[in-house]
Amino acid sequence: EVQLVESGGGLIQPGGSLRLSCAASGFTVSEHYMNWVRQAPGKGLEWVSVIYGGGTTDYADSVKGRFTISRDNSQSTVYLQMNSLRPEDTAVYYCARESSTRAFDSWGQGTLVTVSS
Amino acid sequence: QPVLTQPTSLSASPGASARLTCTLRSGINLGGYRIFWYQQKPESPPRYLLDFYSDSNKRQGSGVPSRFSGSKDASSNAGILVISGLQSDDEADYYCLIWHSSGAVFGGGTKLTVL
Repeated sequence: EVQLVESGGGLIQPGGSLRLSCAASGFTVSEHYMNWVRQAPGKGLEWVSVIYGGGTTDYADSVKGRFTISRDNSQSTVYLQMNSLRPEDTAVYYCARESSTRAFDSWGQGTLVTVSS
Repeated sequence: QPVLTQPTSLSASPGASARLTCTLRSGINLGGYRIFWYQQKPESPPRYLLDFYSDSNKRQGSGVPSRFSGSKDASSNAGILVISGLQSDDEADYYCLIWHSSGAVFGGGTKLTVL
């Protein structure tokens, strides 16, 4: 059974840093593109970042230069390092696996990040 | 103008059909994109429903009933999600998505009320 479990969220002051983790099981992380998607309270979904099979990465303009996605194949874990956090980064962050057609076919339960002083 | 535009809300009766639209910004050609659809219920992560590129190139999510179907309307440059035989359990937010030059883009979502 495919499972994604996010962790690492919490309350952080503006300008601070946080690292989110997404522990995967039931499949091989290196064989799938992996993404982070976020949802601000009461708002819609926003794609954040993707890491491709070869390790290439891409980011939404809103986080480019501040967030870094990475992957540890030996630990079957995907990370999102978030620096220079802003109040508008407050959201539930979901980890999502891509299928061969690039659908987000499996999602974690999400982890809440709150950026506030 | 957003890349993808969805109506904010839609209401339909149990047993009826609901037609949800996802309109691509002018200048973005619908024909070149696969449209993805997701369902999200309160306090739950999104769920992949289906994706549609053409009648011969489409996929249904695992366990998603066939009463959920996708299509395209070239005349309005929109992706379409039709839910037939509406049930109370279909009440949720529905999001469309495309992979664009700037990465993945979600529509703003449609809140479907079944009453």
